[in-house]
Amino acid sequence: SQQGEEDPQALSIQEGENATMNCSYKTSINNLQWYRQNSGRGLVHLILIRSNEREKHSGRLRVTLDTSKKSSSLLITASRAADTASYFCATDKGNQFYFGTGTSLTVIP
Amino acid sequence: DAGVIQSPRHEVTEMGQEVTLRCKPISGHDYLFWYRQTMMRGLELLIYFNNNVPIDDSGMPEDRFSAKMPNASFSTLKIQPSEPRDSAVYFCASRKTGQSAGYTFGSGTRLTVV
Repeated sequence: SQQGEEDPQALSIQEGENATMNCSYKTSINNLQWYRQNSGRGLVHLILIRSNEREKHSGRLRVTLDTSKKSSSLLITASRAADTASYFCATDKGNQFYFGTGTSLTVIP
Repeated sequence: DAGVIQSPRHEVTEMGQEVTLRCKPISGHDYLFWYRQTMMRGLELLIYFNNNVPIDDSGMPEDRFSAKMPNASFSTLKIQPSEPRDSAVYFCASRKTGQSAGYTFGSGTRLTVV
């Protein structure tokens, strides 16, 4: 399976702190994406990083990719209460994406 | 664009009844995916279509599940007969070939089979 595994399963931080989530996967990939899911809602695409990229930024988000270790990390800087959600990594080969089990992030105001 | 539209948002049905979930993808998107999400199994890909043709249905759990895409703007996922273990949130997602923005997900249908 190419399914990613996020770590930790749950994370609780104070508002203003940084949050780091990790994703490990099993086989070679073309792209890796991160999604956010608010409670009771669908997933929202956050950022895509290609296999030949090592780091990518989007606003307060920073994603790294280490293909030699088959791992990625998502850093959310200066967290806000509104960042409270579950975060999933998704790996692809071809046209299908395989989602991990997610990290549940709680940002305490 | 209104995004990916799923209906109904919530469905409660009795065991043995037929359930039909509906999805309208984003106009111009040529891929459509059906996912199921549960606490125990996470997000599972059930089936996906390309240009209305089913490409991979290996994730469909049983013959009780079927999916169709009669045209580019509509897809259905049917469960007949439904069972309590089918209770989950079912998501539809679409994307466009070559697009680097990933999938666009609908808001999901929460199915409860009693």
